[in-house]
Amino acid sequence: QVQLQQSGGGVIQPGRPLRLSCSASGFTFSNYGMHWVRQAPGKGLEWVAAIWPDGRNEYYPDSVKGRFTISRDNSKDTVFLQMNGLRLEDTAVYFCARDSNVMTGYCDFWGQGMQVIVSS
Amino acid sequence: DIQMTQSPSTLSASVGDRVTITCRASHSISGRLAWYQQRPGKAPKLLIFKASNLESGVPSRFSGSGSGTEFTLTISGLQPDDFATYYCQQYNTFLWTFGQGTKLDIK
Repeated sequence: QVQLQQSGGGVIQPGRPLRLSCSASGFTFSNYGMHWVRQAPGKGLEWVAAIWPDGRNEYYPDSVKGRFTISRDNSKDTVFLQMNGLRLEDTAVYFCARDSNVMTGYCDFWGQGMQVIVSS
Repeated sequence: DIQMTQSPSTLSASVGDRVTITCRASHSISGRLAWYQQRPGKAPKLLIFKASNLESGVPSRFSGSGSGTEFTLTISGLQPDDFATYYCQQYNTFLWTFGQGTKLDIK
């Protein structure tokens, strides 16, 4: 069955970098787009990054553009989120999610979520 | 960016009730709308895509409708498991956005 196993969260100081990982299994990873979505404490969902199956195209909202980078290693069935210049407002649970196809934009399977706390 | 506005923000209902949640888009999204359910401490779960298509394995008491800028999620015959938060999401552009959520709680 489809599984997305996340790792890499934790407590980090403002301005420091952090990388999240999401390891996929149960499907042909290289056929699907992947997304990262976050949820600040007590708040709603915010999409933060997407990448095409071949890794050639990436998308970000203005809130993270230039600071966050999504990438993938199809040989290891893993997608990453490199977060640089972290701010207090980046504190959230981060979810990786599988696009329903190449890049439809909606997600049919989600990881368990990983807490990122930005604090001095 | 396309803004998504859900109403109501909170909805109280009883087991067996029929409830409707509305989602409005700031621009037409051509039916490219998904609905998710999220229980506390859990990842979102896809319920409906393309406004009215039920995801595999989702009970038929969930239904979606709408087009253009106005969409609805209806749950007919609420079950105890349905008390959760619901989000709409547009995927008409490569800047995907969610509604602010509707919390469905027990009356």
